Amino acid sequence: QSVLTQPPSVSGAPGQRVTISCTGSSSNIGAGYDVHWYQQLPGTAPKLLIYGNSNRPSGVPDRFSGSKSGTSASLAITGLQAEDEADYYCQSYDSSLSAHAVFGGGTQLTVL
Amino acid sequence: EVQLVESGGGLVQPGGSLRLSCAASGFTFSSYEMNWVRQAPGKGLEWVSYISSSGSTIYYADSVKGRFTISRDNAKNSLYLQMNSLRAEDTAVYYCARVLGLLPNWFDPWGQGTLVTVSS
Repeated sequence: QSVLTQPPSVSGAPGQRVTISCTGSSSNIGAGYDVHWYQQLPGTAPKLLIYGNSNRPSGVPDRFSGSKSGTSASLAITGLQAEDEADYYCQSYDSSLSAHAVFGGGTQLTVL
Repeated sequence: EVQLVESGGGLVQPGGSLRLSCAASGFTFSSYEMNWVRQAPGKGLEWVSYISSSGSTIYYADSVKGRFTISRDNAKNSLYLQMNSLRAEDTAVYYCARVLGLLPNWFDPWGQGTLVTVSS
C-alpha cells in the first residue's frame, strides 16, 4: 500500500487530454514537499518527466505538465500520442516514514 | 553523455548473497548523491537505499535494513549494493539513480537495471 495514491489506469484517444492524480496526506504532499513524476515505457527504466511539481527537464515535450494543490498533485498530458503509452509514477517524501523517498503505486496509461 | 550501467544481478538461492555494481560516466560522480530503487515483477517502484556524495550519510528502507549495504568508490566512479540474507520478496529489477535537488530529491538518470531473482 503506497502512501501516495494513483489510479491504476487511465486511458484516452490520440489528441485528447488526460490527467493522472497523485493523492497524499498531511505528512507528505500536504506538508509542502515537492512531487516529481517519472515515465516508464514498456521494458525500460523510469525516466524523469517532471520535477519540483511543475518543471520539465530538457527534452521533455511541453505536452506534459505538472501541478500541485493541497494534498494532491496531478500530471496532465495534452495532445495524447501513441508513444505516451507507459506507466507513470509520482514521487515525494513523507516525514512520518523512515524512507528517503516514497513512490505512488503507478498509473498505466493506455492510448486507445 | 551521463550514463549509469548496473551489473551483478542473477539467480541466487534464499539466504544467499549478491553484490550489485553501478558504473557511472559522463559526470563528476564524487559530487552526487546516489540511490538504489527496485521494482518487483509487475509491481511499482520501491526506494531501497541512499548514499551521500562522500559516503558519510546512508539510509535504507525498512524492508532491507540490516541485510543490504550501500557503498561507493568515488575513485572508480562506482556505486555498490551488497545484498545478504536474500529473500524471495527481494526478487526485482534493481536500478541505480543519480540524486538531484533538495529533499525530496528527484532521480535522474536511471540505469537500465539489473534483475535479481531469489529462488531455490
